[in-house]
Amino acid sequence: NAGVTQTPKFQVLKTGQSMTLQCAQDMNHEYMSWYRQDPGMGLRLIHYSVGAGITDQGEVPNGYNVSRSTTEDFPLRLLSAAPSQTSVYFCASRPQGAQPQETQYFGPGTRLLVL
Amino acid sequence: AQKITQTQPGMFVQEKEAVTLDCTYDTSDPSYGLFWYKQPSSGEMIFLIYQGSYDQQNATEGRYSLNFQKARKSANLVISASQLGDSAMYFCAMREGLGFKTIFGAGTRLFVKA
Repeated sequence: NAGVTQTPKFQVLKTGQSMTLQCAQDMNHEYMSWYRQDPGMGLRLIHYSVGAGITDQGEVPNGYNVSRSTTEDFPLRLLSAAPSQTSVYFCASRPQGAQPQETQYFGPGTRLLVL
Repeated sequence: AQKITQTQPGMFVQEKEAVTLDCTYDTSDPSYGLFWYKQPSSGEMIFLIYQGSYDQQNATEGRYSLNFQKARKSANLVISASQLGDSAMYFCAMREGLGFKTIFGAGTRLFVKA
């Protein structure tokens, strides 16, 4: 199993550009989520999904869109990038029937710089 | 609303000594789980230890232990016999009930001195 994969690893955007951060998992996990990590603020939840076709907003959803057409993929879209979206983005997944002590599985992260 | 607070932005510890990283939380749900993660400079998130709200004993995993004080709503991570490789960012996190959403604290950066 590859686990949770994210592409690209690093991206530079200009203000106003759009892009999609890719996240895929091969563990058949129902739950998937996107976080952003900023210095001094830990990880903050952007959007999450409890299964294909079902998504919901997290703590900081503004400026981001998501969709979940398959169990494996959970892309994060920035429609018009802003410098405030410069951050490290993590995707994570977890099976629906997991035991309480089972952690989420994190991808390696995508570092995004918006100029 | 659930909240996680880590009040120590940075900590220094001498190699081979023990160190405690603080974490307090707030929730109205009687069922919750607390997690600690390590993030080395390479950036990946590494799960360390878990404590459930109904667990009677403090969790331990090798050199990691969790000092869980439910009445005080604290879940401090204790690292014994610190090693240079323990230098990293450490995050406390909480998940309520059987849900999926997990919230994180701001993190503590630990520096281990030789």
